[in-house]
Amino acid sequence: GAVVSQHPSWVICKSGTSVKIECRSLDFQATTMFWYRQFPKQSLMLMATSNEGSKATYEQGVEKDKFLINHASLTLSTLTVTSAHPEDSSFYICRGGGGDYGYTFGSGTRLTVV
Amino acid sequence: KQEVTQIPAALSVPEGENLVLNCSFTDSAIYNLQWFRQDPGKGLTSLLLIQSSQREQTSGRLNASLDKSSGRSTLYIAASQPGDSATYLCALPQGGSEKLVFGKGTKLTVNP
Repeated sequence: GAVVSQHPSWVICKSGTSVKIECRSLDFQATTMFWYRQFPKQSLMLMATSNEGSKATYEQGVEKDKFLINHASLTLSTLTVTSAHPEDSSFYICRGGGGDYGYTFGSGTRLTVV
Repeated sequence: KQEVTQIPAALSVPEGENLVLNCSFTDSAIYNLQWFRQDPGKGLTSLLLIQSSQREQTSGRLNASLDKSSGRSTLYIAASQPGDSATYLCALPQGGSEKLVFGKGTKLTVNP
């Protein structure tokens, strides 16, 4: 089945630094990748949708300059949290695939900003 | 706008018990519905995908049903085991898009 590999699984960074999260589709071409965020005891909320070769579409309330998404190839999409602050600490997870075959999620990245 | 509600928010049962998790949604014009399992600090594991034309799907001890007219889905877990302890999420597409809307989940604890 479709597999999405997400790295890193966890990261701790200092406030003000940037962190990059990668999602790779291993056995299929992900023309679209969805990025979600999950705060403790909350559900997953869609942040943005990235399409290969074009600009990402951000959900209302998500700062595009803070959460940079790059989808330069059919197998790689990246999310960069710029100038991270403690309130950005969260669980970030990507999703590729869809339609009749369901939805394949990455394993998630736990970001802690100190 | 699709809204998804899961009840109960948490459930604790003794090992061996059969149980039902509930998911309700507001927009019945759905393409499909999917149940996921999430272990603490981990990603999502797909459990069952039900297409809009189907009424139920089964996988091992899991059975998911779908009633579009009433806007409900249930996940039935038979003979629960401690390894079933996790948060169970249901998700549906937003309108005709591939954007998924999630419920807040039901945290299940199966006690030995």
